[in-house]
Amino acid sequence: DAKTTQPPSMDCAEGRAANLPCNHSTISGNEYVYWYRQIHSQGPQYIIHGLKNNETNEMASLIITEDRKSSTLILPHATLRDTAVYYCIVIKDAGGTSYGKLTFGQGTILTVHP
Amino acid sequence: DAGVIQSPRHEVTEMGQEVTLRCKPISGHNSLFWYRQTMMRGLELLIYFNNNVPIDDSGMPEDRFSAKMPNASFSTLKIQPSEPRDSAVYFCASSFEGGGNQPQHFGDGTRLSIL
Repeated sequence: DAKTTQPPSMDCAEGRAANLPCNHSTISGNEYVYWYRQIHSQGPQYIIHGLKNNETNEMASLIITEDRKSSTLILPHATLRDTAVYYCIVIKDAGGTSYGKLTFGQGTILTVHP
Repeated sequence: DAGVIQSPRHEVTEMGQEVTLRCKPISGHNSLFWYRQTMMRGLELLIYFNNNVPIDDSGMPEDRFSAKMPNASFSTLKIQPSEPRDSAVYFCASSFEGGGNQPQHFGDGTRLSIL
């Protein structure tokens, strides 16, 4: 699976958009980009994933560049509860006995301040 | 909808004792994962089940660790005998088919302390 690079930390003001970047320059054509976050003392929480196209759900938007070598997670209106470690993970499309293995790196510590 | 349910949430026991962690995956999911998280090593995959069959147990640290999935709605991770270095947060996750287009959903974990 392709390696990802994220900034170690970011700050964001409450109510503003949080834009978290991720580089995955060695991504392959059949690899998905996933975002998870982990709030202290809780399990990792799935946020969003995509292959080529931009994606949006109730939590966030995922913007993937045309060459797929980088992506940005956007939290449109950050709240204090969004303070967490955010992980960008690239995972192969697989299933059954050939599974997609999640490998969590260091992530980005996002701090949302009042 | 119910998420992944793990029990107990916290476990404190003395070294040498047997520890059993339990997991109920999301209904309809046929892939189950056990992870361990420590400050030193981060989040590590221990074992992966697909359709109740262990597919990859290469992350299981040693023979003291064993995992079972007797049916689609229940899995256990057992440590016998336990040691202080087993202290960690253990997470269970489930997904449909374990594939790259199917997200894994995590439980809230079991915080294990071995004295």
